[in-house]
Amino acid sequence: GDSVTQMEGPVTLSEEAFLTINCTYTATGYPSLFWYVQYPGEGLQLLLKATKADDKGSNKGFEATYRKETTSFHLEKGSVQVSDSAVYFCALSETSYDKVIFGPGTSLSVIP
Amino acid sequence: ETGVTQTPRHLVMGMTNKKSLKCEQHLGHNAMYWYKQSAKKPLELMFVYSLEERVENNSVPSRFSPECPNSSHLFLHLHTLQPEDSALYLCASSFQSGDEKLFFGSGTQLSVL
Repeated sequence: GDSVTQMEGPVTLSEEAFLTINCTYTATGYPSLFWYVQYPGEGLQLLLKATKADDKGSNKGFEATYRKETTSFHLEKGSVQVSDSAVYFCALSETSYDKVIFGPGTSLSVIP
Repeated sequence: ETGVTQTPRHLVMGMTNKKSLKCEQHLGHNAMYWYKQSAKKPLELMFVYSLEERVENNSVPSRFSPECPNSSHLFLHLHTLQPEDSALYLCASSFQSGDEKLFFGSGTQLSVL
């Protein structure tokens, strides 16, 4: 079945550091790919998405490119802030499914 | 604020108790979901409702009983739970079932003693 794998956390970075959170997926078809973010004490929010190969999703300084050849959708940000501290979830959805499949999440802590 | 409201935020219950979790959305969405979030495990989809009909049930134990009286409200009735059921229960909604963009509530943190 379809699945999503993420790098294990927690990830701790200093403010203004470069961030990469790796995500790879397994799917039978051509899924849409997402990053969701969960801030402390809150539910998940959609951060960005890409619906086909080579698409780049971007939002709030975060970017991720849909790489079909490597089945990856790594999340990057050039300069993280303390307010970016959260848990980040990579996810996929195939159009025939009634559900979004989530990875286990990667916790990010940004220290001043 | 995502437009999806869950109550209560925290719940502590004994194994013999009966309680209910409530979820409400006024986004005009037609699909609602229950997810379970446990420590160090992926989000687990429990139930999916589309236009008030259950369209998916991922082999969830019968001690969890969902109810969707209308497209704006979703309940999760709990009875005779086990300590391993302690988790964050998240409600989500989307415009339609299978829609990629989910709107999540803040969750109910459940502790079963």
